[in-house]
Amino acid sequence: DAGVTQSPTHLIKTRGQHVTLRCSPISGHKSVSWYQQVLGQGPQFIFQYYEKEERGRGNFPDRFSARQFPNYSSELNVNALLLGDSALYLCASSLSLAGTYEQYFGPGTRLTVT
Amino acid sequence: AQSVTQLGSHVSVSEGALVLLRCNYSSSVPPYLFWYVQYPNQGLQLLLKYTSAATLVKGINGFEAEFKKSETSFHLTKPSAHMSDAAEYFCAVSAAGGGADGLTFGKGTHLIIQP
Repeated sequence: DAGVTQSPTHLIKTRGQHVTLRCSPISGHKSVSWYQQVLGQGPQFIFQYYEKEERGRGNFPDRFSARQFPNYSSELNVNALLLGDSALYLCASSLSLAGTYEQYFGPGTRLTVT
Repeated sequence: AQSVTQLGSHVSVSEGALVLLRCNYSSSVPPYLFWYVQYPNQGLQLLLKYTSAATLVKGINGFEAEFKKSETSFHLTKPSAHMSDAAEYFCAVSAAGGGADGLTFGKGTHLIIQP
């Protein structure tokens, strides 16, 4: 079975622009979570979606939004990009709400904001 | 609320020596604890997890960790280091029975293996 896939692998954006990152979970997994990993730090939780509803949100500004589709894939949107948004964005999927169930991570999308 | 502290941003050991990576947690509810490994330019791979069953947890690649409630610790060990173990290691915590707020990660420990 394929693992968690993310697209694109890398992208470069300019301050003030908008970006959309995509994630496809492992087949059968209904929960998708998004994390931001700044260079040299551990991942920070942004969102968790389960059955197409937002179930958890980390301490991120409203410029960050996400959604989950009927096929359980997910998009992360970031508006009005700042230099500080430069990071590796990780998507993780799990069978149900994270905690009891392992989260399986994708390879990430490296976002550079100039 | 939960938090994780990983002692030592860098740990260097010789090939064949014991690996010990330290993790202390803080949680207002019973925790679930995890260790992940990240190789350069890759995502995170789960090494092992503690979910309130046995306190000594065995994972992949010969790693194991022991949950010590009295010390609020979940240190990762491996008896004999291999060159392929060189990577970044993250300890993470989530609320048992919950999980909607995702995982809280430590800042990571970079493991260096000396030949």
